Amino acid sequence: NAGVMQNPRHLVRRRGQEARLRCSPMKGHSHVYWYRQLPEEGLKFMVYLQKENIIDESGMPKERFSAEFPKEGPSILRIQQVVRGDSAAYFCASSPSRGPYEQYFGPGTRLTVT
Amino acid sequence: EDKVVQSPLSLVVHEGDTVTLNCSYEVTNFRSLLWYKQEKKAPTFLFMLTSSGIEKKSGRLSSILDKKELFSILNITATQTGDSAVYLCAVAVNNAGNMLTFGGGTRLMVKP
Repeated sequence: NAGVMQNPRHLVRRRGQEARLRCSPMKGHSHVYWYRQLPEEGLKFMVYLQKENIIDESGMPKERFSAEFPKEGPSILRIQQVVRGDSAAYFCASSPSRGPYEQYFGPGTRLTVT
Repeated sequence: EDKVVQSPLSLVVHEGDTVTLNCSYEVTNFRSLLWYKQEKKAPTFLFMLTSSGIEKKSGRLSSILDKKELFSILNITATQTGDSAVYLCAVAVNNAGNMLTFGGGTRLMVKP
């Protein structure tokens, strides 16, 4: 039973480019969460999605960031016109339901903006 | 604003020692508290606690929650070098978001 999968594991982008991060939840999980971990900081919630729905995006920056979880395929976190401050580890987690179920994390995508 | 605070920030012990990690929280509408272990990759789930006073145990690790005093502890007995990691505490609240609010973590180093 595969865990949460994320790709790519490492992503390098120049300032102004777009970054696309993918997350496939654990089998049987229909809820996906994205978190960001800035260098030397804790994990911060960004967005919570179910299939085809954004449930809570209160942690997402208002500009340049968007997320989706289509009916088919992985969840995607998209960052447009990246800046150096976007450099961070982006983790995806999944759970089978709203809870109280534990969230299982993927290995993360480390984004470096040069 | 919901807040989760962990202490100590870092800890260095020798193999065989017992450690206690602390997590206190101030949140509205508490639902559950979770502990994770983070090495150089994904946070790995350890425990989820929803009720006060009931100890959860897994091998040398155990955890308990006090909902009256708003804190939890994670104990590790007979520590091993493989226990070296950052230990994260997170709280889930009852709202539509279902998000976890994380503390800053405790960095544990176990020396041989």
